[in-house]
Amino acid sequence: GESVGLHLPTLSVQEGDNSIINCAYSNSASDYFIWYKQESGKGPQFIIDIRSNMDKRQGQRVTVLLNKTVKHLSLQIAATQPGDSAVYFCAETPNSSNTGKLIFGQGTTLQVKP
Amino acid sequence: DTAVSQTPKYLVTQMGNDKSIKCEQNLGHDTMYWYKQDSKKFLKIMFSYNNKELIINETVPNRFSPKSPDKAHLNLHINSLELGDSAVYFCASSPRQGNSPLHFGNGTRLTVT
Repeated sequence: GESVGLHLPTLSVQEGDNSIINCAYSNSASDYFIWYKQESGKGPQFIIDIRSNMDKRQGQRVTVLLNKTVKHLSLQIAATQPGDSAVYFCAETPNSSNTGKLIFGQGTTLQVKP
Repeated sequence: DTAVSQTPKYLVTQMGNDKSIKCEQNLGHDTMYWYKQDSKKFLKIMFSYNNKELIINETVPNRFSPKSPDKAHLNLHINSLELGDSAVYFCASSPRQGNSPLHFGNGTRLTVT
């Protein structure tokens, strides 16, 4: 079946350090992946996406890595700041679906210590 | 200048009542969605509409009825509310169906007592 999972429910890092949030997915045919950030009381906010024909994509302070061989996705945040504290979700779109349907993982809570 | 706005933000009601949640997007997107987030933060799609046409209906009880009067609006009506309906409901939109980021509203927290 389809599932997207995260390795750790909570990640605690020191301000200024780099953060790495991991995600494993089960559908090898998935062709589009997204990372979202959700702050308390708000909706998920788009961070970065990547298509299956790429293995790396960089944004401002964030990098997404895709390893299709082991079906693994990661989000790297450079120089983590207190404002990065939130729940982070990975999501995938199965190749079989052209409906825009996103399947979300269960979320990792990032705590940034000052 | 809110992109995806939904009302109300909070909704507290008793079992058996009927309630509606409204959603509007001003992004000019073609596709809109309803997602449900449970107490463990798990997000699951309920419905999607593309240009007012129902595309996804994820085995949601028929007490839930989405309505899209135009492509900028997608409302959710819930009949005979049950305790298990308590959750945060998120509206979202995307430029097109398939492989594009969803833009989410800030959610409606529904509490059924």
